[in-house]
Amino acid sequence: NAGVTQTPKFRILKIGQSMTLQCTQDMNHNYMYWYRQDPGMGLKLIYYSVGAGITDKGEVPNGYNVSRSTTEDFPLRLELAAPSQTSVYFCASRRTGQGYEQYFGPGTRLTVT
Amino acid sequence: EDQVTQSPEALRLQEGESSSLNCSYTVSGLRGLFWYRQDPGKGPEFLFTLYSAGEEKEKERLKATLTKKESFLHITAPKPEDSATYLCAVQAVPQGGSEKLVFGKGTKLTVNP
Repeated sequence: NAGVTQTPKFRILKIGQSMTLQCTQDMNHNYMYWYRQDPGMGLKLIYYSVGAGITDKGEVPNGYNVSRSTTEDFPLRLELAAPSQTSVYFCASRRTGQGYEQYFGPGTRLTVT
Repeated sequence: EDQVTQSPEALRLQEGESSSLNCSYTVSGLRGLFWYRQDPGKGPEFLFTLYSAGEEKEKERLKATLTKKESFLHITAPKPEDSATYLCAVQAVPQGGSEKLVFGKGTKLTVNP
């Protein structure tokens, strides 16, 4: 199993540009998540999904959009990138049920200038 | 509001010098407390899940314990390869249907040879 994979690893965007961060998992997990991690701060939840076709907002959803058309994929869309979106983005997944651990991808480092 | 506080922010140890990391939490109904290890430039790697006060888990030189208000990650005779940032997270009982995993800011551990 590859686990959770993310592409790209690094990206530099200009202010106002858009992009999609890709996330794929091969563990047949229904739950998937997007987090951002800023220096000195804890991971903040952006969006999550409990299954294909179902998504919901997390703590910091503004400026982002998601979709979930398959169990495996959970892309994160940034529209009109702003410097405040400079961060490291992590995708995670877990199995259904309470109290199960999340498995994280390697992250995408995004810089908006 | 659900909160997780980790201390200390940073810890330097000599190889073989045992110590403990602290994770204090305030949550309205604990579903699980998780410990992760994060190496620079990588995603968090799952270590342990604890569900109820009094529970303990061990893995090599690491031992995690849980009380009603805090968790400790004990590191016995650490080696330089244990150097990493250790993250604590709690999953609370969902409120209003929202899924929530609250992360602490982490403790950066450095083990000198």
